Amino acid sequence: NAGVMQNPRHLVRRRGQEARLRCSPMKGHSHVYWYRQLPEEGLKFMVYLQKENIIDESGMPKERFSAEFPKEGPSILRIQQVVRGDSAAYFCASSPGVGTGGYEQYFGPGTRLTVT
Amino acid sequence: GESVGLHLPTLSVQEGDNSIINCAYSNSASDYFIWYKQESGKGPQFIIDIRSNMDKRQGQRVTVLLNKTVKHLSLQIAATQPGDSAVYFCAVGSGGSNYKLTFGKGTLLTVNP
Repeated sequence: NAGVMQNPRHLVRRRGQEARLRCSPMKGHSHVYWYRQLPEEGLKFMVYLQKENIIDESGMPKERFSAEFPKEGPSILRIQQVVRGDSAAYFCASSPGVGTGGYEQYFGPGTRLTVT
Repeated sequence: GESVGLHLPTLSVQEGDNSIINCAYSNSASDYFIWYKQESGKGPQFIIDIRSNMDKRQGQRVTVLLNKTVKHLSLQIAATQPGDSAVYFCAVGSGGSNYKLTFGKGTLLTVNP
């Protein structure tokens, strides 16, 4: 059973370009979460998606960032007009569901975005 | 909102010793807590979780203790091995169904042979 897959693993973009980060959840998982990690910091929640639905995007910056999880294919985190401050590791996690007790989230290896 | 803090940013132990990593959280209503291990260049790896209806939970060589009175969480690793060297994060679930994880900054555990 393959784990959460993310690609690319490393992405270099110049300021003003667009970055597209892809995440394929574990087989059987329909819930996807994106987190951002700055150097020496813990992960910060960005967005929670189910197939074709954004459930909670309270951690997403108001501008330039968007996320989707289409019916077919991976979840995409899109950053338009990147700036140096967007440089970070972006992690995707998936879970089989949610519940009042919480569900274990399985993380992918991350995409390390560098903006030059 | 929730905030999560760790008591020590680094911890160095000898191989074979027991390790204890501590974490504090702010929201007394929090009811789902998780410990993750992150090795360099990798994503966080689930270690163990605990819900607020428990005080203690044991896994393989790991134990998580939850003290709701003082809002404190700890991870104990028995007989620490070099492969345990990593950054350890505690995370607290929120968002109704506990899907929104708030992470602490992490403790770097170094195991000396």
